[in-house]
Amino acid sequence: AQRVTQPEKLLSVFKGAPVELKCNYSYSGSPELFWYVQYSRQRLQLLLRHISRESIKGFTADLNKGETSFHLKKPFAQEEDSAMYYCAANAGGTSYGKLTFGQGTILTVHP
Amino acid sequence: DTGVSQDPRHKITKRGQNVTFRCDPISEHNRLYWYRQTLGQGPEFLTYFQNEAQLEKSRLLSDRFSAERPKGSFSTLEIQRTEQGDSAMYLCASILGREAFFGQGTRLTVV
Repeated sequence: AQRVTQPEKLLSVFKGAPVELKCNYSYSGSPELFWYVQYSRQRLQLLLRHISRESIKGFTADLNKGETSFHLKKPFAQEEDSAMYYCAANAGGTSYGKLTFGQGTILTVHP
Repeated sequence: DTGVSQDPRHKITKRGQNVTFRCDPISEHNRLYWYRQTLGQGPEFLTYFQNEAQLEKSRLLSDRFSAERPKGSFSTLEIQRTEQGDSAMYLCASILGREAFFGQGTRLTVV
């Protein structure tokens, strides 16, 4: 079965500390991996995707096919990073948009 | 706000009643998705449309659920004979490229 797992429901760090949100996936074929973020009282929005290999708001994520992981990292967390983060995957090809989400990790960055 | 729009934002209904939700996608997006999100979980795929054609339905979509997108623009999701287990956030998303744009959701409470 296709599955995305985020082992941490809650993650707390202090401002300026590094942060890593873990994501593991179980998918056949060549999935596309994404991180979505939901700030307080806002809608779910795309943060980044593995095919873009970009850094958004200081966050990066590397797809590790051997470990089937797609961890989200930021070297210096900011208070405005506090949000719910979801890792998601699709099967690629014409299945884009049909996403399987993890359970989410609530990140709290303390001043 | 010119993004995906969902109406109503909140709905409280008595068990056994029918409810209908509406989603207006971003106008040039031809794919539209419905997701359901229960407390503490990530969104789960329900169904999607390519223009007016409903191309896939999840096993989560029981026969009490029906979705339409009659002119390839807005979509409706109807739940008949609501049950308490239907209480959830119902999210709509439209797709451009590989990015899903989510609405703010309709929160359904069945009492």
